[in-house]
Amino acid sequence: GENVEQHPSTLSVQEGDSAVIKCTYSDSASNYFPWYKQELGKGPQLIIDIRSNVGEKKDQRIAVTLNKTAKHFSLHITETQPEDSAVYFCAARSGTDKLIFGTGTRLQVFP
Amino acid sequence: EAGVAQSPRYKIIEKRQSVAFWCNPISGHATLYWYQQILGQGPKLLIQFQNNGVVDDSQLPKDRFSAERLKGVDSTLKIQPAKLEDSAVYLCASSLRQTQYFGPGTRLLVL
Repeated sequence: GENVEQHPSTLSVQEGDSAVIKCTYSDSASNYFPWYKQELGKGPQLIIDIRSNVGEKKDQRIAVTLNKTAKHFSLHITETQPEDSAVYFCAARSGTDKLIFGTGTRLQVFP
Repeated sequence: EAGVAQSPRYKIIEKRQSVAFWCNPISGHATLYWYQQILGQGPKLLIQFQNNGVVDDSQLPKDRFSAERLKGVDSTLKIQPAKLEDSAVYLCASSLRQTQYFGPGTRLLVL
């Protein structure tokens, strides 16, 4: 079945710096890759997603890139702010139409 | 637009007791999901409904977990009897097409 690996598990950056989180997936039939932000005590919130027919997508300070050949996708956050501090999850929709999540990255942005 | 609603938000029970969680999805969303999120991990799908029919329950421990979605709207997830390892956050999500929207979750502690 599909397996999604996510790195790093924790990431600390200074306010204003960029943050990059990377994920790899195993099922070549996967075609949809969302990213979720989860704050303490809340459910995951979708922040950006990308489909397999697109290589890059950007929304203000957030961008996602997809390399289908290498089965990698990454989240890029520029000009980080303290309110970006949260746990971020990548996910991949497998060939069986199931959403498989990575293990999460705890991002801390220090002012 | 109202989001996914869940109740209760917190529940503490002793092992071997039973517990039930309730979810009200976003209006018009045909697909409803229940996930289990153990501390420090990503959400893991327990069961997926399309209207009131089960699409995938391959990872639902059917000897103790049950779920229903009567009338294709609200859903309940039940655990009977609970074990210590069931301590987790139970997330409900709904979708119209690909994008899944999560509720705030129910945090369960089994003592």
